Amino acid sequence: DIQMTQSPSSLSASVGDRVTITCQASQDISNDLNWYQQKPGKAPKLLIYDASNLETGVPSRFSGSGSGTDFTFTISSLQPEDSATYYCQQYDNLPVTFGGGTKVEIK
Amino acid sequence: QVQLVESGGGVVQPGRSLRLSCAASGFTFSSYGMHWVRQAPGKGLEWVAVISYDGSNKYYADSVKGRFTTSRDNSKNTLYLQMNSLRAEDTAVYYCAKEGHGAYYYGSGSYPGGYWGQGTLVTVSS
Repeated sequence: DIQMTQSPSSLSASVGDRVTITCQASQDISNDLNWYQQKPGKAPKLLIYDASNLETGVPSRFSGSGSGTDFTFTISSLQPEDSATYYCQQYDNLPVTFGGGTKVEIK
Repeated sequence: QVQLVESGGGVVQPGRSLRLSCAASGFTFSSYGMHWVRQAPGKGLEWVAVISYDGSNKYYADSVKGRFTTSRDNSKNTLYLQMNSLRAEDTAVYYCAKEGHGAYYYGSGSYPGGYWGQGTLVTVSS
């Protein structure tokens, strides 16, 4: 199975800050990577697919980049409503696997 | 609009069985693969299983292989997860999700996409 290592596991930042989360795959997954946002008690929401494509309706402050084994998720200007846990997910091979998650808190 | 509604969760003793359902609406259910993903309390997301659009192909996580079976009834627009020999570590919220890659897609590259249910809680405890 492909292992996804996500970091950091948590972070605290101020409104307006630039926030970056990284995800590393245990093998080359091309660009077969998604990023999800999950708020407490809610289902995950797909934000980015194919590593860098913004899902319809998702604010442009969210972005993704990378290919191969190293990926980055960025919030360009953190907003209060962005407080959530973010997960990367690879789908290059079954089983689909998720990173451990990054909890983003607002200072 | 796409709607996925899970049901069937509850408290069950270790070793017993439970069947979850996921009622789908707002899209052509019979054209899409479906996934199950679970989340233990306070933990991350764990993918559980996928079933192809016609039910002919299925793939499971090692943690549930041989104990869980997913199936679907396309005439009822409903997805199922039969869970047998339940263990304490199966305690989680279970989500169903629509295939994100597109209609009729199955295999490597398959993933739970932009539509998920609200989840149903399964608690395995004596």
